[in-house]
Amino acid sequence: DTEVTQTPKHLVMGMTNKKSLKCEQHMGHRAMYWYKQKAKKPPELMFVYSYEKLSINESVPSRFSPECPNSSLLNLHLHALQPEDSALYLCASSQSAHNEQFFGPGTRLTVL
Amino acid sequence: GESVGLHLPTLSVQEGDNSIINCAYSNSASDYFIWYKQESGKGPQFIIDIRSNMDKRQGQRVTVLLNKTVKHLSLQIAATQPGDSAVYFCAEKDNYGQNFVFGPGTRLSVLP
Repeated sequence: DTEVTQTPKHLVMGMTNKKSLKCEQHMGHRAMYWYKQKAKKPPELMFVYSYEKLSINESVPSRFSPECPNSSLLNLHLHALQPEDSALYLCASSQSAHNEQFFGPGTRLTVL
Repeated sequence: GESVGLHLPTLSVQEGDNSIINCAYSNSASDYFIWYKQESGKGPQFIIDIRSNMDKRQGQRVTVLLNKTVKHLSLQIAATQPGDSAVYFCAEKDNYGQNFVFGPGTRLSVLP
């Protein structure tokens, strides 16, 4: 298995909802990432997990809460989001923090 | 032609011609570079990478050139095909960082 999968593909939520994005890889990669991408912009790093420990949090608001239950899974818990949080949320993984990152297809999030 | 402005830079080429996409980086400590291709509605896809101890690397129909003196990276695509139409991002990382910094991206449009 050489891919990163993400669910759901699309998500529409209200500002009071709680939802979770999921990411999975079975390549044995030990680093996993969450990125946010707005239209016509490059991906912006949100969080980095290395060996299941959070190693980078790029000043992301607390309404985004990452979780790494094991080396293959990465979640992003969402609560009380704002309409400006609407974006494509990308998960990526890499063998280590010094190797190329492989991206999933993303979750298209719309906050109403 | 190529245009830069408030919108995503765009490069338009005729099918069968060669394409050259450029990227400038600012961190002189960057030592690893990747080119990604992102098609509409998909996550970025790894194309080719290069480390700072090299100045050229070739793949299938693609070549990456690195000029460390002027901090410039380019991606050359030979015999451009309609399937090459996408947004191309360069990404850089230094040996101490755990994350890649993405460039603004260039949209490649292949004209029939």
